[in-house]
Amino acid sequence: ETGVTQSPTHLIKTRGQQVTLRCSSQSGHNTVSWYQQALGQGPQFIFQYYREEENGRGNFPPRFSGLQFPNYSSELNVNALELDDSALYLCASSFSKGWFTGELFFGEGSRLTVL
Amino acid sequence: AQSVAQPEDQVNVAEGNPLTVKCTYSVSGNPYLFWYVQYPNRGLQFLLKYITGDNLVKGSYGFEAEFNKSQTSFHLKKPSALVSDSALYFCAAASGNTPLVFGKGTRLSVIA
Repeated sequence: ETGVTQSPTHLIKTRGQQVTLRCSSQSGHNTVSWYQQALGQGPQFIFQYYREEENGRGNFPPRFSGLQFPNYSSELNVNALELDDSALYLCASSFSKGWFTGELFFGEGSRLTVL
Repeated sequence: AQSVAQPEDQVNVAEGNPLTVKCTYSVSGNPYLFWYVQYPNRGLQFLLKYITGDNLVKGSYGFEAEFNKSQTSFHLKKPSALVSDSALYFCAAASGNTPLVFGKGTRLSVIA
């Protein structure tokens, strides 16, 4: 059973650029959630995808968008990067029948630095 | 709105002593409660959960947590702390139709 894997692990971008972060879900999981963890803070919910559709979103602007693919892997895209977007981005997968039904399994995260 | 509070930014405990990391929550409906641990530059690792049933939940690495509905608390405990327990601990809560909400974390330092 493979765990949740994320790529890249680290990246540096400049303000105004766009970034794509990738996540491969744990085998057998059909739901993926993305969280932003700023330095010294707890993870903040960005959005969740279930069966390739977004079925929940936190308080993040539309320039944060995502995709879930038929194999349940996922992408997080952030456009027009701002300095405050610097954070650890965590992907988590789970098995769900629609909404939250159990614990999330997290990847190691992608650390984004915006200069 | 759902929320999780971890009132202590830092907890220091001597090795071999019992430890407690506090958590209170606010959710609508029946809560699903979790504890996760994070080591430096790593993702979150699941420790234990309360969904229903016995109020005392046992988890990984000798940790346990007690669900107290009247106090809306879910404190993490361990009878005897190890230096290797030093890490950042997150409490999280959800209900049946809401995403998992995390507290801001408590840094546990176990001193030899």
